[in-house]
Amino acid sequence: KAGVTQTPRYLIKTRGQQVTLSCSPISGHRSVSWYQQTPGQGLQFLFEYFSETQRNKGNFPGRFSGRQFSNSRSEMNVSTLELGDSALYLCASSFPSRRRNTGELFFGEGSRLTVL
Amino acid sequence: DAKTTQPTSMDCAEGRAANLPCNHSTISGNEYVYWYRQIHSQGPQYIIHGLKNNETNEMASLIITEDRKSSTLILPHATLRDTAVYYCIVRVQGFKTIFGAGTRLFVKA
Repeated sequence: KAGVTQTPRYLIKTRGQQVTLSCSPISGHRSVSWYQQTPGQGLQFLFEYFSETQRNKGNFPGRFSGRQFSNSRSEMNVSTLELGDSALYLCASSFPSRRRNTGELFFGEGSRLTVL
Repeated sequence: DAKTTQPTSMDCAEGRAANLPCNHSTISGNEYVYWYRQIHSQGPQYIIHGLKNNETNEMASLIITEDRKSSTLILPHATLRDTAVYYCIVRVQGFKTIFGAGTRLFVKA
């Protein structure tokens, strides 16, 4: 079974630009979560999508947005990039099911964004 | 905010058991304890989770105290490849997973 796939793996942008990151979850997983990881702040929760709806949201400004498609693939977008947005952006998928009742997250390798 | 407290770092000799503690004194009755680890520059990896009973899988054992206010992750025979940051998390099924700072485990030869 293929794991969580994130693209691109590395990218460099300049301040003021915008960026779109993509995440393909494990087949059958319907929930996708996004995290930002920086050396100073650690792993910070951005948002979670389930069945194309944003179910949970972290404390990030409106420049950070996301969406989920009907095939569960997800994208996140950061507009008007700032230097502080340089980070590893991680996507995780899960198969939330009351019957199975596990909910563990499966992470991709991340997209490393550098803002110059 | 993270609801767990973990030591910043720990050392363990290769081949010995690594016991990583976690305090979650405000845990609610329906919150699970999850453990993940992150090896440098990779995405976090799920290890194990539990509600109130002790759990064991091929990677580790999870011991949860009877009052559920703390738990211990046990790696029975640590190897150099177990050097990583270990995160203890409490969450309700279906709610967002909040990571704390974790414990940096160094396994030494």
